[in-house]
Amino acid sequence: KAGVTQTPRYLIKTRGQQVTLSCSPISGHRSVSWYQQTPGQGLQFLFEYFSETQRNKGNFPGRFSGRQFSNSRSEMNVSTLELGDSALYLCASSSGTSGAKNIQYFGAGTRLSVL
Amino acid sequence: GNSVTQMEGPVTLSEEAFLTINCTYTATGYPSLFWYVQYPGEGLQLLLKATKADDKGSNKGFEATYRKETTSFHLEKGSVQVSDSAVYFCALPAYSGNTPLVFGKGTRLSVIA
Repeated sequence: KAGVTQTPRYLIKTRGQQVTLSCSPISGHRSVSWYQQTPGQGLQFLFEYFSETQRNKGNFPGRFSGRQFSNSRSEMNVSTLELGDSALYLCASSSGTSGAKNIQYFGAGTRLSVL
Repeated sequence: GNSVTQMEGPVTLSEEAFLTINCTYTATGYPSLFWYVQYPGEGLQLLLKATKADDKGSNKGFEATYRKETTSFHLEKGSVQVSDSAVYFCALPAYSGNTPLVFGKGTRLSVIA
């Protein structure tokens, strides 16, 4: 069974630009969550999508947005990039159901560098 | 919401040494508990989990027991190898249900031959 696939693996952007990251979940999984990982703040939750609807949202500014398609693939977008947005962005997929089997599996991440 | 406090490193051990990484949590109810591992340049991999009190999760020689009395989920391994060098994260759901997760700060482990 294929794992979680994130593209691209690396991105370099300049301040003020926007960026779109993509995530393909494990087949059959309906939930996709996004996390930001930085050395200073650690792992922070951005948002979760389930069946094309945002189900949970972390404490990030509106410049960070996402969406999910009918095939469960998800994209996140960051507009007006700031230097502080440089981070590893991780996508996690899960079944999305309640209970102990709803386990998150992570992709390799997209490393974004903002210059 | 729930929260987790994890021993911060870095931790440096010789090969075959015993490893303990402490993790304590604050939670409503009895959520599932997780340990994830991140190898250099990679994403997070689920190492082990426990879904109820007194459960012991185990994988690749690592173990952790869900202790509700002490609200702890310490990670242990009896004999570490160089290949265990990585960053280890303790995690639990932020709210009811299993998503999203809240993570500890991570503990960097280096094992030297």
